[in-house]
Amino acid sequence: DQQVKQNSPSLSVQEGRISILNCDYTNSMFDYFLWYKKYPAEGPTFLISISSIKDKNEDGRFTVFLNKSAKHLSLHIVPSQPGDSAVYFCAASEGGNKLVFGAGTILRVKS
Amino acid sequence: EAEVAQSPRYKITEKSQAVAFWCDPISGHATLYWYRQILGQGPELLVQFQDESVVDDSQLPKDRFSAERLKGVDSTLKIQPAELGDSAMYLCASRPRYYNEQFFGPGTRLTVL
Repeated sequence: DQQVKQNSPSLSVQEGRISILNCDYTNSMFDYFLWYKKYPAEGPTFLISISSIKDKNEDGRFTVFLNKSAKHLSLHIVPSQPGDSAVYFCAASEGGNKLVFGAGTILRVKS
Repeated sequence: EAEVAQSPRYKITEKSQAVAFWCDPISGHATLYWYRQILGQGPELLVQFQDESVVDDSQLPKDRFSAERLKGVDSTLKIQPAELGDSAMYLCASRPRYYNEQFFGPGTRLTVL
């Protein structure tokens, strides 16, 4: 039973445009959500997070939106850069415990 | 900048052999996690430590996997005997107290032949 789903295996975007990565979850007890970026042969790098008491968090080019009623979150990257090309993982936790990850979305930013 | 250290980065072994992975979390981080990531999937938790105590090992295959964090600092994950299906990336992460963000090491890529 996948509690966190990233339904798009890959996404291709032109440099300078917006990248939107989506994530859905099923467990209503999740109270904290995170996005990680991963390059091949490296560990995931923390990008941005959001608490369930908020609906938006912004950090530079990265913004995460949370829609609790729809159990959906998204990561917006504006403007997209070639260095953003990587695998992006959505993760969720309940009470600060283990992270439950989605399967990841491969983002390719074309120059 | 403080980082989670892991070694070795790569390990190739034959099935039925024993392997061990080491992790040194960011200094002061009380919580340590071991995750396994199979290609094409997201990381899945194997074991969580709070200081030297195991908090969650419900997904750890205890017939062949063991993990310890004797002094509440660094940790070792062992597989004995290794099976072909154990080929994966093994990731260690740590978390500071009162924060939700986990910080990952570079991982150990295990290949079982």
